[in-house]
Amino acid sequence: DQQVKQNSPSLSVQEGRISILNCDYTNSMFDYFLWYKKYPAEGPTFLISISSIKDKNEDGRFTVFLNKSAKHLSLHIVPSQPGDSAVYFCAASFAGGGADGLTFGKGTHLIIQP
Amino acid sequence: KAGVTQTPRYLIKTRGQQVTLSCSPISGHRSVSWYQQTPGQGLQFLFEYFSETQRNKGNFPGRFSGRQFSNSRSEMNVSTLELGDSALYLCASSPSGGPDTDTQYFGPGTRLTVL
Repeated sequence: DQQVKQNSPSLSVQEGRISILNCDYTNSMFDYFLWYKKYPAEGPTFLISISSIKDKNEDGRFTVFLNKSAKHLSLHIVPSQPGDSAVYFCAASFAGGGADGLTFGKGTHLIIQP
Repeated sequence: KAGVTQTPRYLIKTRGQQVTLSCSPISGHRSVSWYQQTPGQGLQFLFEYFSETQRNKGNFPGRFSGRQFSNSRSEMNVSTLELGDSALYLCASSPSGGPDTDTQYFGPGTRLTVL
């Protein structure tokens, strides 16, 4: 039973346009969400996170939106750049101390077209 | 600061063998977590060690075990290897482990192939 789902295995976006990556979760106890970016042959790198007490968090070109009632979050990248081509993982966790481990989605491969 | 390092980077084993993977966290980090990445299941949490103690464990059989040393370096062991254990094994370190307070930094992974 996948608790964190990324339903789009891949997404192709033109350079300069907005990339929107989506993520759904089923466990309402999750209260901390993260996005990681992964290049081939490298480990995931942290991108941006959001606590459940917020509905938006912005960091430069990256914005994460959280809709708790829909159990849905999205990552917006604007404008998209060629270096953004990578696999993006959505992850969820239970906050409050201690690492219960991150629950990851299966990832979305973002391809930025020139 | 040096990043998280994992050795070896690639490993080929046969069914029934056992394997040990190593992870050196970022200096000063005391929490080390292990993850398995497969095409079918994605990234799944194996376990987390903090101050030489296993603090959390994911839903994996007992063939998967680990330990952490006093210098925070960690090893992961898989016994009686099965074909399905073929995966990328990722190690992540953080200062104290709470994902809402600490960012986890991942190593490049060890690619294990079981024949």
